[in-house]
Amino acid sequence: DARVTQTPRHKVTEMGQEVTMRCQPILGHNTVFWYRQTMMQGLELLAYFRNRAPLDDSGMPKDRFSAEMPDATLATLKIQPSEPRDSAVYFCASGRRNTGELFFGEGSRLTVL
Amino acid sequence: DQQVKQNSPSLSVQEGRISILNCDYTNSMFDYFLWYKKYPAEGPTFLISISSIKDKNEDGRFTVFLNKSAKHLSLHIVPSQPGDSAVYFCAAVWGSQGNLIFGKGTKLSVKP
Repeated sequence: DARVTQTPRHKVTEMGQEVTMRCQPILGHNTVFWYRQTMMQGLELLAYFRNRAPLDDSGMPKDRFSAEMPDATLATLKIQPSEPRDSAVYFCASGRRNTGELFFGEGSRLTVL
Repeated sequence: DQQVKQNSPSLSVQEGRISILNCDYTNSMFDYFLWYKKYPAEGPTFLISISSIKDKNEDGRFTVFLNKSAKHLSLHIVPSQPGDSAVYFCAAVWGSQGNLIFGKGTKLSVKP
């Protein structure tokens, strides 16, 4: 049963610490998205990769966030330094067509104290 | 500036009745529109989609209607069931890169 795997599921950290979230997309999918869910903004697009190349990261605060795909089986989202306002659930999703049909992971819930 | 808007944060419906979730958009270049369903502590799951060249798509109890002139789409669930209680996100795809943009979601509660 293919699925998107995200780690960690939960992370509590202190302000100023580095946080790295990882995502294993479904094998064969060539697009990977990172979204952040907050009560106020719903699902915000942070970054988008196709064939491991970044296509759109305009939704990401560049000074502290970075997203990479070191290989086809791993996508990472890094926050350094983290701030309390970064507290949210971060979702990774993968797909293989331009029709918007994505498979989401279960999310990484981040709490920054 | 939100390009995909869901103006109703919540909706409550009686079991067996119709649920209608609405979504408005501003970008006429969107190619596909989709609805995703999300349960607590889970990731969103794809529910149904519609191409911008169509005005209706049906899948079982779920039907999506698209009114391009009004830049409006809606999701109809008939009959509604308690298991349909979830947050429903409207989303749109645009551009050759397939960028997917979501609305803020509508929480549907179906009461027995």
